[in-house]
Amino acid sequence: NAGVTQTPKFRILKIGQSMTLQCTQDMNHNYMYWYRQDPGMGLKLIYYSVGAGITDKGEVPNGYNVSRSTTEDFPLRLELAAPSQTSVYFCASSFVGDNQPQHFGDGTRLSIL
Amino acid sequence: AQKVTQAQTEISVVEKEDVTLDCVYETRDTTYYLFWYKQPPSGELVFLIRRNSFDEQNEISGRYSWNFQKSTSSFNFTITASQVVDSAVYFCALSEADSSGSARQLTFGSGTQLTVLP
Repeated sequence: NAGVTQTPKFRILKIGQSMTLQCTQDMNHNYMYWYRQDPGMGLKLIYYSVGAGITDKGEVPNGYNVSRSTTEDFPLRLELAAPSQTSVYFCASSFVGDNQPQHFGDGTRLSIL
Repeated sequence: AQKVTQAQTEISVVEKEDVTLDCVYETRDTTYYLFWYKQPPSGELVFLIRRNSFDEQNEISGRYSWNFQKSTSSFNFTITASQVVDSAVYFCALSEADSSGSARQLTFGSGTQLTVLP
């Protein structure tokens, strides 16, 4: 049972490039989330999804897009990378109904130069 | 709007000392959930505990204990007889409940860096 898997683990982008951060979970969780963690800070919610085909904005959605075509996958896309998007990105999932905690992936460290 | 405040940015203790990490939260919801996560130097997030707003019982798990007080909107975390392996960043987090009563997206505090010296 892999849990929440994020790829890649590290990436360096140039300003203006685009990329997709992949996230997949094998726990059949309804809810999935994307957070970013800036140095010395807590995590902030970017986007979340309560099920396939449903997504909603979190606290810091600008510059990002998401989609949820399947229960398992929740990719995060950066269209025009900016230095302010340098951060560690965490994907998480949780199961609705039994008040379980969110399970986090190991994170993707992204640098925009 | 929800808010979580961890006023202690950094704490250093010597091994075997007890240490308490403070967490104060703000929410207008009557049903909510509180969490503590540990982030070791390797960077992953490790779940430690979840509490719902209707359960004010303190909890002990080995060397860890948690004190939840709704009257002061606090959810403090104590490590007894600290060890070097406890060195990490600890995050307190708050979640509102959806219509089914389940926890939703988390609002995190800024974290407390705990360093346990040998």
